[in-house]
Amino acid sequence: DAGITQSPRYKITETGRQVTLMCHQTWSHSYMFWYRQDLGHGLRLIYYSAAADITDKGEVPDGYVVSRSKTENFPLTLESATRSQTSVYFCASSLTGDQPQHFGDGTRLSIL
Amino acid sequence: GNSVTQMEGPVTLSEEAFLTINCTYTATGYPSLFWYVQYPGEGLQLLLKATKADDKGSNKGFEATYRKETTSFHLEKGSVQVSDSAVYFCALSDGDYKLSFGAGTTVTVRA
Repeated sequence: DAGITQSPRYKITETGRQVTLMCHQTWSHSYMFWYRQDLGHGLRLIYYSAAADITDKGEVPDGYVVSRSKTENFPLTLESATRSQTSVYFCASSLTGDQPQHFGDGTRLSIL
Repeated sequence: GNSVTQMEGPVTLSEEAFLTINCTYTATGYPSLFWYVQYPGEGLQLLLKATKADDKGSNKGFEATYRKETTSFHLEKGSVQVSDSAVYFCALSDGDYKLSFGAGTTVTVRA
């Protein structure tokens, strides 16, 4: 039972570079989410997807792009990384919109 | 809009002590309430939930009661263990997919 996996676990990059964080789930959950976790802010929703080819913005979408061509994958791309995007990123999924969300182990991203 | 406020940490306790983490919320509707736990180096795990007023969620010795009159969902455990050291997040969902999280409370339990 693989569940939900994120890769890489750790990433260091430079400002201006493009970086993609991967998220894969094996449950065939309809909903998938990307959050960022910053000290003092808890988790904030970046983007979410209700199904393949359906995505929408969350609370803090600026500077991020997502896609969902397959139900099981939901990559998050930083098109031109900035230092303010240094954070821990969590992917989550849920069977339906009102079911509890299941989280991956996170990607710690540092932008120098 | 929706918001969650939880007590600031860090909280440091001795083993077998009583733990309370306060959580209050603001919501426009009738939200579902959750406590998530994050162990070091891991993602968040659902600890317990309550979906309507006066419901009590419980799991692993933790309890929380949905109090609509005080808009609260305080987390309690009667006797903590070192293995309970983690970050605890209170969250709400107001009838849709979106979760609003509190800032998190770091709990450290010493042997």
